[in-house]
Formats: sequence, C-alpha cells, structure tokens
Amino acid sequence: EAQVTQNPRYLITVTGKKLTVTCSQNMNHEYMSWYRQDPGLGLRQIYYSMNVEVTDKGDVPEGYKVSRKEKRNFPLILESPSPNQTSLYFCASSLFGDQDEQFFGPGTRLTVL
Amino acid sequence: QQPVQSPQAVILREGEDAVINCSSSKALYSVHWYRQKHGEAPVFLMILLKGGEQKGHEKISASFNEKKQQSSLYLTASQLSYSGTYFCGTEIQGAQKLVFGQGTRLTINP
Repeated sequence: EAQVTQNPRYLITVTGKKLTVTCSQNMNHEYMSWYRQDPGLGLRQIYYSMNVEVTDKGDVPEGYKVSRKEKRNFPLILESPSPNQTSLYFCASSLFGDQDEQFFGPGTRLTVL
Repeated sequence: QQPVQSPQAVILREGEDAVINCSSSKALYSVHWYRQKHGEAPVFLMILLKGGEQKGHEKISASFNEKKQQSSLYLTASQLSYSGTYFCGTEIQGAQKLVFGQGTRLTINP
C-alpha cells in the first residue's frame, strides 16, 4: 500500500531534550516536506527536500533540522525543543514538488513541557 | 504570502450547499484544495491552474478566477462525510512554492 508513515504518533517531552520524528514513504517520491499545524494558522512548511542530500528551509525553520540521506526517509530533528514547538506535525511527499499532489503522513502530536 | 480563506467556519444541514473562498493578494499560478477530517491527515482534492478552469470531484467542484486572484470550492448537496477542515494552497506566479491558508471548518449535521 502506498503510504507515508511517521513515528511516533504522539510524544510528550521536556524542554531541551533532543528528539527525532521519523518519516518514510514507499512511493519513490522525489520531494518530501515537513509541516506544522497550529489552530488558526493552517499548515506551515518547516523544511523540504527536492531529492537526496538536497534540503531547504520552508516558512518556519527555526529550531528544526532535517536530513535526507535516503530517498524514502526524511527525519525531523528538534535538537533543543521548546514549548512553542508544541504542535501537530505532518510529513508529506510528492513526485516532483509541492505543486504536485501531496500525500500526507498520519501526523505526530508533540507536546513540549 | 498566506492566502485568506472565508468563512472560517460553517455549519450546514445535510443536503445544503456550501461555498468556501480562497483569496490572494498576489497573482496566482495555481490553487490546490485539500480536505482534512478530524484527527486525520489532509487529503488532496484537486489542483486548478490559471485559465479559469473549473474542476469537479464527486459533488465537489471548484473554480479559479485569475483576475480576482481567488478560488472558490463548491460543495453541492452536502453529505455527512464532507465534514472536515478544507485548506486551499496557492502558488504565486513565479514563486514555485505552495502556501496554505488557515483552513475552513465545515460541519454537516443530519
């Protein structure tokens, strides 16, 4: 089944404790991205990747890192999480870019205390 | 430049029609529509390219008015399954980047 998977689905952590949210897709898509969703603000892009080893900042990249060592995986790293990073995070992938149909993962709800 | 969606929320009875608008302050190349059901991921509905093209998806259709820099999503004879939050994403001409609106929450009651 074609899908985007994320882990963990739920995470409660404390300020400053490094964490990684994994994202994997099995559709051989070139493009992957991370969004955060906050009430009243919609979906805002954090980082995106056009291909392996090619990543770039989205609209709200501060406090996040990403890597794209393999085509299928695109982990999101929070090296020192803060409470303002409490949010619902979505990974998405598409064939060529965000101008294409994007397939979203199930989401990761992160709470930073 | 985030597009503006209106209304922010709407409540309908099953069988009624709804219109959701998406406006930009800049010239658009394309508009994308997604639906997100409660507790789930956004799911793609359709893409409209500049040219005033109207598209349909079941009883959900959309139009794109380049001159007005806006798109409208039409839900006809709404069903309970249409409930959710609808997002438009806009691509400004020359930007090659999609930016999502804040979403419109649609509630369909029996």
